Amino acid sequence: EADIYQTPRYLVIGTGKKITLECSQTMGHDKMYWYQQDPGMELHLIHYSYGVNSTEKGDLSSESTVSRIRTEHFPLTLESARPSHTSQYLCASSPGTGENQPQHFGDGTRLSIL
Amino acid sequence: KQEVTQIPAALSVPEGENLVLNCSFTDSAIYNLQWFRQDPGKGLTSLLLIQSSQREQTSGRLNASLDKSSGRSTLYIAASQPGDSATYLCAVRNYGGSQGNLIFGKGTKLSVKP
Repeated sequence: EADIYQTPRYLVIGTGKKITLECSQTMGHDKMYWYQQDPGMELHLIHYSYGVNSTEKGDLSSESTVSRIRTEHFPLTLESARPSHTSQYLCASSPGTGENQPQHFGDGTRLSIL
Repeated sequence: KQEVTQIPAALSVPEGENLVLNCSFTDSAIYNLQWFRQDPGKGLTSLLLIQSSQREQTSGRLNASLDKSSGRSTLYIAASQPGDSATYLCAVRNYGGSQGNLIFGKGTKLSVKP
């Protein structure tokens, strides 16, 4: 069972601030993902990583950036938050081997930009 | 472009009933299909993963089927309980595209009344 942690769980912050959403997993998974979910809507992939020093953009365009310096951490950063960034951000991970490994999700960060 | 549709959007049943949730997808070239559960304010919990070569998977009171040629999957829940109340999400993983990318439906919100 993968353990994956996201902090903070909730964040309300003003426009223009720099924000970093943290995601950590303790199972040594190579693959990690960030999804964005608006209320009542589908999850959309915004970033993913195959492993350390690997990052790729997902199918949904996002102004956020990510880094993968360590296997267990995959932080997401917004340099200057705007109200349009208000959403729920979900982090996930899966093992690097095999095509049929399930993704394991954190509890998400609910972000609200005033 | 892969599209995933879930019907119905919401479902309310009395405790003890058997029920079926439906998922359809437009492109049959998939690695697998995964069913998730999402509780309010939480992340996603993986319930079942069906590989493209499989027809069904079972876990406890849950049974998921896959008909790849017709682009359909069903999640059958036997003897429903109030604790089953949650949003159920269906997601497919395509061949090609972003590595490990899951395409999600909008979900079915299930309410089981005691």
